[in-house]
Amino acid sequence: DAGVTQSPTHLIKTRGQHVTLRCSPISGHKSVSWYQQVLGQGPQFIFQYYEKEERGRGNFPDRFSARQFPNYSSELNVNALLLGDSALYLCASSWGGGLAFFGQGTRLTVV
Amino acid sequence: RKEVEQDPGPFNVPEGATVAFNCTYSNSASQSFFWYRQDCRKEPKLLMSVYSSGNEDGRFTAQLNRASQYISLLIRDSKLSDSATYLCVVFYGGSQGNLIFGKGTKLSVKP
Repeated sequence: DAGVTQSPTHLIKTRGQHVTLRCSPISGHKSVSWYQQVLGQGPQFIFQYYEKEERGRGNFPDRFSARQFPNYSSELNVNALLLGDSALYLCASSWGGGLAFFGQGTRLTVV
Repeated sequence: RKEVEQDPGPFNVPEGATVAFNCTYSNSASQSFFWYRQDCRKEPKLLMSVYSSGNEDGRFTAQLNRASQYISLLIRDSKLSDSATYLCVVFYGGSQGNLIFGKGTKLSVKP
């Protein structure tokens, strides 16, 4: 029973670099959302994709982008990394309603 | 005013105690409500959905008051394994919606 899978689990990048994070949703789920969680805070919404179309975007700069593929997997891209981008990046999978299941996350450290 | 507000705690309680968490939300159009549990450096995991009629799952009881825009979680007979951060989560919108998280309430259950 495959849950939501994210890769990589940990990543260290230097300022100014680019990063790509990947997510595979639960089989049958058509919606993938991305969240950023910094220490001591709740997750903050970045993007939602449903049926390969962007359906929502949070208050994040244009350095953040994402896409969803025909198999419903998704990538989150962040350009020109800043120290403040260090966080746990979470992918959530759902049928399209509110009930969502999270992957284990990618812990990004920018140095 | 933040969209979802929780008391960050920490709540330090002995084993066997009953503890209650509260949460308020600002958007009256909110449609669905959830409690998630998050262990240190792990992903959030769905604990339970919250309904106006109230719902119970073993030692956990959740309640929604739409008129007051207030959500609660009651944990009875606390176990050491209940130690975690509890996230109050609100969802509004159909396939285009996203989850709005509170900052979380930290619970520590002591022997």
